[in-house]
Amino acid sequence: GNSVTQMEGPVTLSEEAFLTINCTYTATGYPSLFWYVQYPGEGLQLLLKATKADDKGSNKGFEATYRKETTSFHLEKGSVQVSDSAVYFCALSAVHSGGGADGLTFGKGTHLIIQP
Amino acid sequence: DTAVSQTPKYLVTQMGNDKSIKCEQNLGHDTMYWYKQDSKKFLKIMFSYNNKELIINETVPNRFSPKSPDKAHLNLHINSLELGDSAVYFCASSQDASSGNTIYFGEGSWLTVV
Repeated sequence: GNSVTQMEGPVTLSEEAFLTINCTYTATGYPSLFWYVQYPGEGLQLLLKATKADDKGSNKGFEATYRKETTSFHLEKGSVQVSDSAVYFCALSAVHSGGGADGLTFGKGTHLIIQP
Repeated sequence: DTAVSQTPKYLVTQMGNDKSIKCEQNLGHDTMYWYKQDSKKFLKIMFSYNNKELIINETVPNRFSPKSPDKAHLNLHINSLELGDSAVYFCASSQDASSGNTIYFGEGSWLTVV
């Protein structure tokens, strides 16, 4: 079956530090890959996505590249801010045998804390 | 305008009760979902409907019954609530069931069973 593995944290960084949150996946076929962010008390928002190998998704200074050879989709940001404190979820969506998507399979989430 | 809206946002109820959570999307999407987020923040899909037809039905107790009166609405009814049902339930939608589509989430319904 499909699965997503990501570092669980919490990850605590100082403001302006470099961020990497690792994400690897297992899936049949060619999944689409996503990063979602959940701020305290809120729902999930799409941060970025990539739908094929070597695609790079980017948004709000965050980037992730779809690496098929290493089955990875690591999230990076060059300089984090206090406002980036949230829970980050890596997810995949793959096509099942009937032809439709299986919905999103999520990693367990990484709680990111940025200190001033 | 809220794209995916669900009500109620907070619900506290006693064991054994029956409750419903309603969801509506105004994005014109064909596919809607229910996800459950447990106390450890783990998210898991429960159901998915495409044009009012059930297409994903994960291993969920049959006390949970989704209903889609039209493609803009997907409600979740829960019978005989148990303590373990306490969680945050997220409704979501996407253009269709293709794997590359962005899935848009509602703000969640916090259910507490006491």
